[in-house]
Amino acid sequence: AQKVTQAQTEISVVEKEDVTLDCVYETRDTTYYLFWYKQPPSGELVFLIRRNSFDEQNEISGRYSWNFQKSTSSFNFTITASQVVDSAVYFCALSFTGNQFYFGTGTSLTVIP
Amino acid sequence: NAGVTQTPKFRVLKTGQSMTLLCAQDMNHEYMYWYRQDPGMGLRLIHYSVGEGTTAKGEVPDGYNVSRLKKQNFLLGLESAAPSQTSVYFCASRLYGQQETQYFGPGTRLLVL
Repeated sequence: AQKVTQAQTEISVVEKEDVTLDCVYETRDTTYYLFWYKQPPSGELVFLIRRNSFDEQNEISGRYSWNFQKSTSSFNFTITASQVVDSAVYFCALSFTGNQFYFGTGTSLTVIP
Repeated sequence: NAGVTQTPKFRVLKTGQSMTLLCAQDMNHEYMYWYRQDPGMGLRLIHYSVGEGTTAKGEVPDGYNVSRLKKQNFLLGLESAAPSQTSVYFCASRLYGQQETQYFGPGTRLLVL
């Protein structure tokens, strides 16, 4: 069963628009961790944020914000006032009991100037 | 501190040839992982290691072998390459503990003709 679902395959927005990337996860564990990674066109994977299952506070870092809702098993990522440099593929990932990470299939974001 | 490095960056193989991909990390991480990334499939785990001398299968292990003779190195081998193994391969490492973040290498692009 898929453990992390990113239903949005591709999104295009015009520069300065806000955009939200969705992530829905599945786990029976009460302790788990959620992550977001960015993969720009250059190809490397860059860590953005980690969240544990006991902390449902939203987090804001500059233009980025994350909304974690256990009731809907979602960990959504919002970019405010998008810029061309935000164009990338974004991956959501889940870690729980065991040693593996489970990645979603990614959302490709294109910001049009 | 180089982080996670991968060798080579790019390789072309003919069907049936063998090769080894090298991943090295200088962060003293216990866990190391090999993923492959294919369009629309996200990151899929091939094999991983929780310590020197130990390895385990991931989601897509067939056609690959791994070895972790030293803590800092994790080798991925293809004994008889097939066109289906054309992909981008990422190595990652992290400290022990499910809360720990994975850090990725720059990737190896492999083309099997």
